[in-house]
This record gives sequence, C-alpha cells and structure tokens, in this order.
Amino acid sequence: AQTVTQSQPEMSVQEAETVTLSCTYDTSESDYYLFWYKQPPSRQMILVIRQEAYKQQNATENRFSVNFQKAAKSFSLKISDSQLGDAAMYFCAYRGTQGGSEKLVFGKGMKLTVNP
Amino acid sequence: KAGVTQTPRYLIKTRGQQVTLSCSPISGHRSVSWYQQTPGQGLQFLFEYFSETQRNKGNFPGRFSGRQFSNSRSEMNVSTLELGDSALYLCASSSSLLGEKLFFGSGTQLSVL
Repeated sequence: AQTVTQSQPEMSVQEAETVTLSCTYDTSESDYYLFWYKQPPSRQMILVIRQEAYKQQNATENRFSVNFQKAAKSFSLKISDSQLGDAAMYFCAYRGTQGGSEKLVFGKGMKLTVNP
Repeated sequence: KAGVTQTPRYLIKTRGQQVTLSCSPISGHRSVSWYQQTPGQGLQFLFEYFSETQRNKGNFPGRFSGRQFSNSRSEMNVSTLELGDSALYLCASSSSLLGEKLFFGSGTQLSVL
C-alpha cells in the first residue's frame, strides 16, 4: 500500500521569505501523481500544485514550486515570497494510476504560520 | 461554474442515530469521492463513485455507505453513529479524466454526542 509521510507537523516563516515543506512517499508503482493541497481555516482543500511522475521537470505555479526526486521518493514544496494568506495546513498527497481510481492518499499535514 | 457544494455545513447527532450527508459536484463532473478528516487519523478515503457505480472503497465499517444519483449528486450515510465518527467529511469531484484535478467542497462537520 502507498504511504505519504510529512515529518514536520509545524513550521513558521517570515513574510516575504522562502520556506520548504518536505514530503516523502512509498510506492511500487512507476506512474503516479503527486499533489500539494492547502487547507485554510475555511476547511476547503485547495490544490496548490501537481506533479506527474513521468515528467522529470519540476512543476511550478507562480510562487510555488516543487523539488521532485523520484528515485528518493521525495516531493518537497517551496513557497517563495511568503504571504500572510499562505498560512494554512498543507497536505502532500499521492494518487496512483492503476484501476482508474482517483483515490488520494494523504500525509498527516503540516501547519504553516506566516509571521508579519 | 459553481464549486462542489456540501450540505449541511454542520451537524450534531447523538450516538446510535443515523445521518445523511449530501454532495453536489461541479456541473459536468461525473466522479465523486468522499474523505473523512479527523485530528488523529488525518484524511482517510471513504469511497468513490463514477456514473452511479462505486469504483473504490476505503477501509471503513459497513455502517458507512454511499450512493450516486443519475445527476452525479452523491450522498453518504452513516448508521448507528459512534463518538469516533465525529469528523469533517469532505467530498471531491472531478471529470474523471486521468490526471485531472479533484475539486473539494468545504465539508460537513459532524459532531456525535
């Protein structure tokens, strides 16, 4: 079974600085998707960024970028120029491609605080 | 386009009762999945429906059930509620194309007293 591990339960960053959130996963599949979701106090899960495992190029979305290391099964999220609105719970998630299922396996999450 | 709508937002029940939660997916989306979120267990997959058929099921007891209607709306039911069922229940929808994003609702917060 696939597992996702986020080893840091909490982090803090100063506004305008850069922070990196770590995530490791375990799978025997060769093709899969990885995601970072953000959950603000409103509770809605918001997709931050997505990475296809078959793509070597790291995904980027504006201030958000990932460092995907397939061999090491590592998938970290870098937030540049942190803003107060980035404060939230961040979840790393895995989705396989076998069987057509869209099931996501989530990590335990990490609470990010942004200090003004 | 309207997002994923979950009703009700909050629900308080007592042990032994049953509850039904509703999820309306984004228009055109045919896939709906449900997750349970608790502080202790995190986010856990409950089940997934596509075109009224259950495509996958998580490791939950039979008290947890769901269904999907022809208009893609979905309901989940929990019978004989236990204190441990207190959680945020999240619904997500997608167009079900491989690799397509899941869009989540704001959830239903269930408290069992």
